[in-house]
Amino acid sequence: QSALTQPASVSGSPGQSITISCTGTSSDIGGYNYVSWYQHHPGKAPKLIIYEVNYRPSGVSHRFSGSKSGNTASLTISGLQAEDEADYHCSSFTTSNTLVFGGGTTLTVL
Amino acid sequence: QVQLQESGPGLVKPSQTLSLTCTVSGDSVSSGGYYWTWIRQYPGKGLEWIGYVYNGGTTSYNPSLKSRVTISLHTSKNQLSLEVNSVTAADTAVYYCASSIAFSGYDYWGQGTVVNVSS
Repeated sequence: QSALTQPASVSGSPGQSITISCTGTSSDIGGYNYVSWYQHHPGKAPKLIIYEVNYRPSGVSHRFSGSKSGNTASLTISGLQAEDEADYHCSSFTTSNTLVFGGGTTLTVL
Repeated sequence: QVQLQESGPGLVKPSQTLSLTCTVSGDSVSSGGYYWTWIRQYPGKGLEWIGYVYNGGTTSYNPSLKSRVTISLHTSKNQLSLEVNSVTAADTAVYYCASSIAFSGYDYWGQGTVVNVSS
C-alpha cells in the first residue's frame, strides 16, 4: 500500500488560516469516511485531533476542522497560534482492512 | 482513561528479532471493540502503520511487513507484543503502541520507544 500524499511543509502567520491536504485513492480516502488527523510535537506522542473526516475529540480546539472531497482529505487550522507549530499526519482505512498514513507535514508558524 | 507504555531493548543487531511489549492500564486488552496497534516513526518524519490485533486475537498487518511481523495479546499480563524478524537498519525507528475503537482514530498512545538496529 502506498503512503498518502501530504505536502512536506506549510507555513502561516499567527491569526491566519492554513490548510493541509492529504491525497489518496479510491481504495482508501475516497472509499471510506475513516480519515484521521494527528498533531505531533517532537518528543511527544501523536495526538488525535480529527477522526472520521470531520469530528473533533473532546478537548480539541474548534480551530481545527477536517473535510474530504473525492480522494483528498484536508485539515484546516484557523487562527494560527504559536503552539500549533508541529508535524501533522493524516491516515485512512483501506480496502485491504489495513491503515495507511501520509508522509507528514511540518507546520511552521512564522 | 487508557494508558499505554512500551518497553523493550533499544538496540537490536541486524538479522535478529525485535521484540517489544506494551503494557496497558485503565482497561483490559480483552475488551471488545479496541484495536490494539503498533505504529512506528522513521528518523525522517512519516508514521508507518505496522498492524493491529483485536477481538481477542484477530490480526491485520501492513502488507510490506506481513512476512516478518507478529502482534499478540497477553491477557494475563494485560499486554500486547510486537515481534519483527530479520531486522535491518531500515527498521530503526520510534515504536508506538496505540488503541482505537474500530477505525475512529487512535486516541490513546504510548510515549514511544526508540529502537536502533546496528551491529
